[in-house]
Amino acid sequence: ILNVEQSPQSLHVQEGDSTNFTCSFPSSNFYALHWYRWETAKSPEALFVMTLNGDEKKKGRISATLNTKEGYSYLYIKGSQPEDSATYLCASIMEYGNKLVFGAGTILRVKS
Amino acid sequence: ETGVTQTPRHLVMGMTNKKSLKCEQHLGHNAMYWYKQSAKKPLELMFVYNFKEQTENNSVPSRFSPECPNSSHLFLHLHTLQPEDSALYLCASSHRTGNGYTFGSGTRLTVV
Repeated sequence: ILNVEQSPQSLHVQEGDSTNFTCSFPSSNFYALHWYRWETAKSPEALFVMTLNGDEKKKGRISATLNTKEGYSYLYIKGSQPEDSATYLCASIMEYGNKLVFGAGTILRVKS
Repeated sequence: ETGVTQTPRHLVMGMTNKKSLKCEQHLGHNAMYWYKQSAKKPLELMFVYNFKEQTENNSVPSRFSPECPNSSHLFLHLHTLQPEDSALYLCASSHRTGNGYTFGSGTRLTVV
């Protein structure tokens, strides 16, 4: 059974704060790790797809790192803005398959 | 619009009704997925189709019946549902196994 855990469950920060969330997943038979951003009433939007141990990806103020040996990924947001408020989902795929298993998400609320 | 279109956006149905959810993509993707999100639970994979062939059925009850007539269209036929089947049903597609998914906006289903 593939269990993907995310923490914290929710986070409230002030505008301008930097923040980070954690995603943990089984490290055996790892194939890929996805991060998605999901705003209310919209579709989940792909942020990153990561496959290599030590991988680090960046998109504007958002970046992510991957450790496949210990089974975790961090998502960082630098200088949070109210428009960053969303649920951030991570999901993992084992081996070369397309069964993407999601964590429960981290809800981020940024106050101005 | 993400390129994955789901209809209807909202659906209320009785337990004896038969209805269908539709998903359409013209992104050239060859894999399509149905996910279910119940309140306060992670996104749960239901079905996977690759090149129109079903490759994953995640122990979904037979009252949910998927259909994939071609690589661009995916349906979820619903009959004799239960109130606990009320949830957000999301469709997604990807270019090939393991790539980032493109999600639709979902169908909010209420079974009364």
